Amino acid sequence: GQNIDQPTEMTATEGAIVQINCTYQTSGFNGLFWYQQHAGEAPTFLSYNVLDGLEEKGRFSSFLSRSKGYSYLLLKELQMKDSASYLCAVRDSNYQLIWGAGTKLIIKP
Amino acid sequence: NAGVTQTPKFRVLKTGQSMTLLCAQDMNHEYMYWYRQDPGMGLRLIHYSVGEGTTAKGEVPDGYNVSRLKKQNFLLGLESAAPSQTSVYFCASQPGVDTGELFFGEGSRLTVL
Repeated sequence: GQNIDQPTEMTATEGAIVQINCTYQTSGFNGLFWYQQHAGEAPTFLSYNVLDGLEEKGRFSSFLSRSKGYSYLLLKELQMKDSASYLCAVRDSNYQLIWGAGTKLIIKP
Repeated sequence: NAGVTQTPKFRVLKTGQSMTLLCAQDMNHEYMYWYRQDPGMGLRLIHYSVGEGTTAKGEVPDGYNVSRLKKQNFLLGLESAAPSQTSVYFCASQPGVDTGELFFGEGSRLTVL
């Protein structure tokens, strides 16, 4: 079966750095996505990785290792508005997105 | 710039009632999707469409039907609602299957009593 694993909940301090991990087992691989979802709102796109390595976009970075079936999302200089759920999704060989259950990130002052 | 719009935003149904959720996008996207989101679970694909006049089943299609008569609209129907269909429903669109992000609507919260 296809599976995406990510921690259920994480807590971090304002101004700090946090890394959210995602491991996957899917039928094929055509890219990995990270989305942010604030409570009661729709998911919004953060990043896309299809090749190994680090993609940096402002305070957010995403890393991919296809051989290990592993990705992480790195958030720097945390702000209170970063409190949200972070969803990892993998596009499989049929170009369907398989979604993780999401990691709820709580930022404390 | 509306993007993806879902109606209604909230609805309460009794078991056995029927209803239709409407998704409209103004970005001329070919691909449209209906997902449901339940606590502790990832987004699950109900049905999707790769273009006007086409529909296909996703991971959890039972109890739902869809139609894509116009490119900009994707309708999700519940013929006989069940409590297990209580969920938040998201519509999303995408220009093509190999492009990056999905664009999501704001969600529709459905409660079936």
